[in-house]
Amino acid sequence: EAEVAQSPRYKITEKSQAVAFWCDPISGHATLYWYRQILGQGPELLVQFQDESVVDDSQLPKDRFSAERLKGVDSTLKIQPAELGDSAMYLCASSYSRQGGSPLHFGNGTRLTVT
Amino acid sequence: AQKVTQAQTEISVVEKEDVTLDCVYETRDTTYYLFWYKQPPSGELVFLIRRNSFDEQNEISGRYSWNFQKSTSSFNFTITASQVVDSAVYFCALNSGYSTLTFGKGTMLLVSP
Repeated sequence: EAEVAQSPRYKITEKSQAVAFWCDPISGHATLYWYRQILGQGPELLVQFQDESVVDDSQLPKDRFSAERLKGVDSTLKIQPAELGDSAMYLCASSYSRQGGSPLHFGNGTRLTVT
Repeated sequence: AQKVTQAQTEISVVEKEDVTLDCVYETRDTTYYLFWYKQPPSGELVFLIRRNSFDEQNEISGRYSWNFQKSTSSFNFTITASQVVDSAVYFCALNSGYSTLTFGKGTMLLVSP
C-alpha cells in the first residue's frame, strides 16, 4: 500500500538553529497537510496545500515557519530559528481531495527535540 | 466552530475485555464527516473509519464497531475482546465542507495481558 514518506524520523537541534522536514505524499494526492502534535494532544494543522498553492496557513507561525510545495508533489517545512517550544511531532498527511470526507493518510512523522 | 471532545484521557483494561471509547462532537454544519484514527507507539496515525452525517447505521469490522448517534452528537468506538496490540492512542476527528480536520485530544488505551 502506498504510504506518505517523511524524513528525518528524529531530529535534535539547538535553539536558534534552522531545521527542515521533508514529505512525499501518496502519488495522485493533490492535497497535502502539515500538522504539529504536542505530546498528549491531538494533531493541529499548520498548513494545507492544494497542488502547489497554500489554501490554509492561518495557524502557521510565519515569523519562523515556512512551507513550500514547489511542484505540487513533495513538500518541505522549515523552522528558523527553532525555539524550545517547537519540540513536538511534525506529521505530514495527504488526501485525494480537499473536500470533507476524504480521509487523510499520515506519514510516520518527524519527532523534533529542541535543546 | 467545530469541536471534538474525548473525555477519557486514559483507559486500562485486561486482555479480552470489551472497551468503549467515547467521542462527542460539535458542529453547526448539517453535512459533516467523522473519523477515528489509531496512533500506536511508533507514531503514525492510521485511518480506521469515516462516517458521514447522513449515515447513522452502526458499523462493525471484525472486533471493532462504531455507534453514531446524531441525537447525542456522539460517535463511540467499541473494541470487543481487546488484545495487547490494540494498545495505542485513539483519536476522533471531524470535518465538513472544506474545513480542516479537527481532532480530539485522544484516548490512550492500555491493554495488559
